[in-house]
Amino acid sequence: QVQLQESGPGLVKPSETLSLSCTVSGGSINNYYWSWIRQSPGLGLEWIGSIYYSGSTNYNPSLKSRVTISVDTSKNQFSLKMTSMTAADTAVYYCARVWSGNGWLLDYWGQGTQVTVSS
Amino acid sequence: EIVLTQSPGTLSLFPGERVTLSCRASQSVSSSYLAWYQQRPGQPPRVFIYGASTRATGIPDRFRGSGSGTDFTLTISSLEPEDFAVYYCQQYGSSPPGFGGGTKVEVK
Repeated sequence: QVQLQESGPGLVKPSETLSLSCTVSGGSINNYYWSWIRQSPGLGLEWIGSIYYSGSTNYNPSLKSRVTISVDTSKNQFSLKMTSMTAADTAVYYCARVWSGNGWLLDYWGQGTQVTVSS
Repeated sequence: EIVLTQSPGTLSLFPGERVTLSCRASQSVSSSYLAWYQQRPGQPPRVFIYGASTRATGIPDRFRGSGSGTDFTLTISSLEPEDFAVYYCQQYGSSPPGFGGGTKVEVK
């Protein structure tokens, strides 16, 4: 059973950079796309972007200028960096696996990590 | 970008009742790449229906998805206690994939 676990700081100051990691266990990161999604009361569920195990990326145009997703296959991990954080970025951040061969359908999710942007 | 609008926002129902949730897309969803997720409090979303009408593994047959193009529906034939949750639709055929605002099904 594939499991995903997000890790990173729960509190980020305005204008700083958020860094989160997602560790995949119970399966290989190879041969799949992996995604970051966030959820807030104001914006609902929002897809941030995805990365293939080989490193190719696809970002939401609304966040593209601020987001970098990377992958480390040796650690079975992928990561999210989001710059210039503001209060509007306060949300639960999820990592998820893209169901192979099924567009951007998400079949396995982490439990999510709350990120609050505040000074 | 395809925008998904779900209605109603909240439904208050008794166990055993039949419920129909709606998801309307701003443009046609390619290849019926429309999914429904259930989310319970404190949990991540879980895919219930994909391809507009295919139930994911382990999803009971009281859940039925239908529709094509821009109009999709999730029907629960008889609500069980564990079905009270928030349901989201997602189009996953084009980038960026997007979610609807959700419909909360609550106990009356």
